[in-house]
Amino acid sequence: GESVGLHLPTLSVQEGDNSIINCAYSNSASDYFIWYKQESGKGPQFIIDIRSNMDKRQGQRVTVLLNKTVKHLSLQIAATQPGDSAVYFCAENPSSGTYKYIFGTGTRLKVLA
Amino acid sequence: DARVTQTPRHKVTEMGQEVTMRCQPILGHNTVFWYRQTMMQGLELLAYFRNRAPLDDSGMPKDRFSAEMPDATLATLKIQPSEPRDSAVYFCASGLVRTRGARGNTGELFFGEGSRLTVL
Repeated sequence: GESVGLHLPTLSVQEGDNSIINCAYSNSASDYFIWYKQESGKGPQFIIDIRSNMDKRQGQRVTVLLNKTVKHLSLQIAATQPGDSAVYFCAENPSSGTYKYIFGTGTRLKVLA
Repeated sequence: DARVTQTPRHKVTEMGQEVTMRCQPILGHNTVFWYRQTMMQGLELLAYFRNRAPLDDSGMPKDRFSAEMPDATLATLKIQPSEPRDSAVYFCASGLVRTRGARGNTGELFFGEGSRLTVL
């Protein structure tokens, strides 16, 4: 089922290569960031998070980088697999003490066999 | 395997009808969110609750939408009357969101599978 905008950026990556998905956030006061993966017809699924006092965090095959100077977040996926094909959203928490996570527009990742 | 459960998964209704969507959050989670997803707007936060109390519903059209948590195991989102522009996928999410002093919040959100609403 559809879950994203008609003009969603798409990243096509060869299976086995590394993927880098970028996100620009809007609020310099945001203190917490999350990456979500959404497969067709499903709800978003948590991948990894990072707090603003860090600039890098690693998970299993994924790394999130945070550059507060330019308000930029990236998600790196190592050895991309067909199962990684999905739409990826970054989310920011723009106001400390609230829970109003704001999601970006998303990037579609297509893994080519 | 704990998960957020939403019903109905699909709903087709006619303009003017009342629609109620239900969500069972994960047991023990203290925060529940309602999001709406459309092709043009992406994921929009409609409302959220902490410990069953409504914290913010500023993203919700107040004249026709209402969100409640009658108990810890049930969150509802109601649209009355529904309009074609309400057609979207509505997601419920829950989380155990913590605040660490002045540093702000951390918390993974667990989303349900969504309720796809079509208003004719």
